[in-house]
Amino acid sequence: AQSVTQPDIHITVSEGASLELRCNYSYGATPYLFWYVQSPGQGLQLLLKYFSGDTLVQGIKGFEAEFKRSQSSFNLRKPSVHWSDAAEYFCAVASSSNTGKLIFGQGTTLQVKP
Amino acid sequence: SQTIHQWPATLVQPVGSPLSLECTVEGTSNPNLYWYRQAAGRGLQLLFYSVGIGQISSEVPQNLSASRPQDRQFILSSKKLLLSDSGFYLCASPSVAPNYGYTFGSGTRLTVV
Repeated sequence: AQSVTQPDIHITVSEGASLELRCNYSYGATPYLFWYVQSPGQGLQLLLKYFSGDTLVQGIKGFEAEFKRSQSSFNLRKPSVHWSDAAEYFCAVASSSNTGKLIFGQGTTLQVKP
Repeated sequence: SQTIHQWPATLVQPVGSPLSLECTVEGTSNPNLYWYRQAAGRGLQLLFYSVGIGQISSEVPQNLSASRPQDRQFILSSKKLLLSDSGFYLCASPSVAPNYGYTFGSGTRLTVV
C-alpha cells in the first residue's frame, strides 16, 4: 500500500525567503506524485504533478518539485515566497493500479512573516 | 472537461441524525470515485473508493457507508451521526486526458452538534 509522509507539520518563513516543503513516499511501483495547496476554507488546487520523464517539475505560482527515486522524495520548492502563499500544502501519491487511489500526507501549514 | 458536483456545501446536523451526501460526475463515464474526509487540523483521509456501480471499498473502519447506485453518482451516508463525523468531505475522480490528475468537488463542510 502506498503512503506519504510530510515531516514538517508547520513551517514559518519570511516573505521573500526561499521555501522547501518535504515529502517522502512509499510505493512499490512507479509513483504518480502530486502537490496540492489549500487556502483556509477552500478546496484543493493542484500545484504540480509528476508522472514520468524529467524529474524536475514546474508548477503554477512559481513552484517546482524534484522527484528523487533514490530518496523516495518529492520536495516542493519556491525561490521567493509571497504572503499569499500562506496555506496548507499536501503531497499525495497515486496508485498506478486500476484502483487509482490517491493517498495524501498529513499536510504542512505554511505561515509567511512580513 | 470533467466536473464534480457536491451538495450541500454546508450542513449542520444533530448527533444521531442520518446523513446523505451526494456526488455526481460530468464529462466522463465509468470513473473511479473517492470520498475523502478532512477533520479540523488534519490531513485528507481516504474513506471509500469505487471502481464501478455497486463496487465499494472501505479504507477505514467508521460510522459511515458509501453507495454507487449509478455510474456517475457516489453517495456517502450514515444512519446515526457522531460528533467525530464532523469535517470537510471531498469527492474526487481521476481526471480525463489530457489533464491527467484528479478532479475534486468543492466539498461539503459537515458540523455535527
